[in-house]
Amino acid sequence: KNEVEQSPQNLTAQEGEFITINCSYSVGISALHWLQQHPGGGIVSLFMLSSGKKKHGRLIATINIQEKHSSLHITASHPRDSAVYICAANQGGGSNYKLTFGKGTLLTVNP
Amino acid sequence: NAGVMQNPRHLVRRRGQEARLRCSPMKGHSHVYWYRQLPEEGLKFMVYLQKENIIDESGMPKERFSAEFPKEGPSILRIQQVVRGDSAAYFCASSRDQNTGELFFGEGSRLTVL
Repeated sequence: KNEVEQSPQNLTAQEGEFITINCSYSVGISALHWLQQHPGGGIVSLFMLSSGKKKHGRLIATINIQEKHSSLHITASHPRDSAVYICAANQGGGSNYKLTFGKGTLLTVNP
Repeated sequence: NAGVMQNPRHLVRRRGQEARLRCSPMKGHSHVYWYRQLPEEGLKFMVYLQKENIIDESGMPKERFSAEFPKEGPSILRIQQVVRGDSAAYFCASSRDQNTGELFFGEGSRLTVL
């Protein structure tokens, strides 16, 4: 069983819809990352957060440390948001690189 | 482009050949990390290097895989005698600091072993 679980695995939405992707983790963490990967493309770091909430444009990430749960929200979704969104937990120990990754959520936003 | 640069983007090798993947970190970054993404699986950490030093190779297969980050030039991930199971996307990331620095990822190198 992966220590970082994402849901849903696949998500299809219509342009303009509000999107939520969930991430649950079973290990203690010092930070949680949300990453975006376009098909055949590179990986972009969207957020790194250890508590509360962060917002960047139409993207919002929240984390609940007690419940070991994080969500990524996309408001007013657009076809260009279509990508794989990956949640990754930083297990701490003084390093930011030893991440445990989820398998990703494939988001498709139709026009 | 001042981002993390990886090459080649795509590499095809036959079983038994060697694969060399290169990564140039962002300007000012001295910490380099390699991750592997197997088909239908999540990313997994392989190795962490600073200039001329391997800091953590706990995620690296014990045989056939090696990595270096010389004083001059890019970091190189080397896979000897490749097998079909090595087919994957290999991503490099860099950071300015180890403990708190944000990770910046490259575009990845996609290795296909025939």
